[in-house]
Amino acid sequence: GQQVMQIPQYQHVQEGEDFTTYCNSSTTLSNIQWYKQRPGGHPVFLIQLVKSGEVKKQKRLTFQFGEAKKNSSLHITATQTTDVGTYFCAGVSGYSTLTFGKGTMLLVSP
Amino acid sequence: DAGVTQSPTHLIKTRGQQVTLRCSPISGHKSVSWYQQVLGQGPQFIFQYYEKEERGRGNFPDRFSARQFPNYSSELNVNALLLGDSALYLCASTLGLSSYNEQFFGPGTRLTVL
Repeated sequence: GQQVMQIPQYQHVQEGEDFTTYCNSSTTLSNIQWYKQRPGGHPVFLIQLVKSGEVKKQKRLTFQFGEAKKNSSLHITATQTTDVGTYFCAGVSGYSTLTFGKGTMLLVSP
Repeated sequence: DAGVTQSPTHLIKTRGQQVTLRCSPISGHKSVSWYQQVLGQGPQFIFQYYEKEERGRGNFPDRFSARQFPNYSSELNVNALLLGDSALYLCASTLGLSSYNEQFFGPGTRLTVL
């Protein structure tokens, strides 16, 4: 079945440093979504990427979808303590439902 | 407008018991999906319901069942609970059936099986 892998599992940065999480799928994806889950909270939708090579920005967050539509990344510039949480990618392949990666936990120290 | 609501918030059960979790989607949303999130893992898909019909099922045993009511609310039932069923159970509602729809998650039900 479809597998979605994320690296790293965990990253601890100092406030102001950049952060990147990578997502790789075993199959070609029709679309990929990114979610953020704060500690003790529930996943909250950030963005969806659909087109090959697509790049979208939300303030300090940059999302990319690979040319082959099998990988994606989320980059945060100049992290802030409010960025703390776990970032999940979730992909859809063919007629499958949304498959989540295991997430990357981000800890930001002031 | 209210978001997705789930009840109860927390639940403690013992092995072998049965549990029913409830979810009310955002008004106007006709699709509800259930996910299981074990600590340190991403949400794992259990079921999707749309217009009261099951439209997708994940790799979970038959002990797991669900249904959707005419008002689009949904229940997830788990029979013969095992220790491994301890997890956060998330409900997500979407406007329609398409996988391109944004999923709106509820706060979840934290189930502990002793």
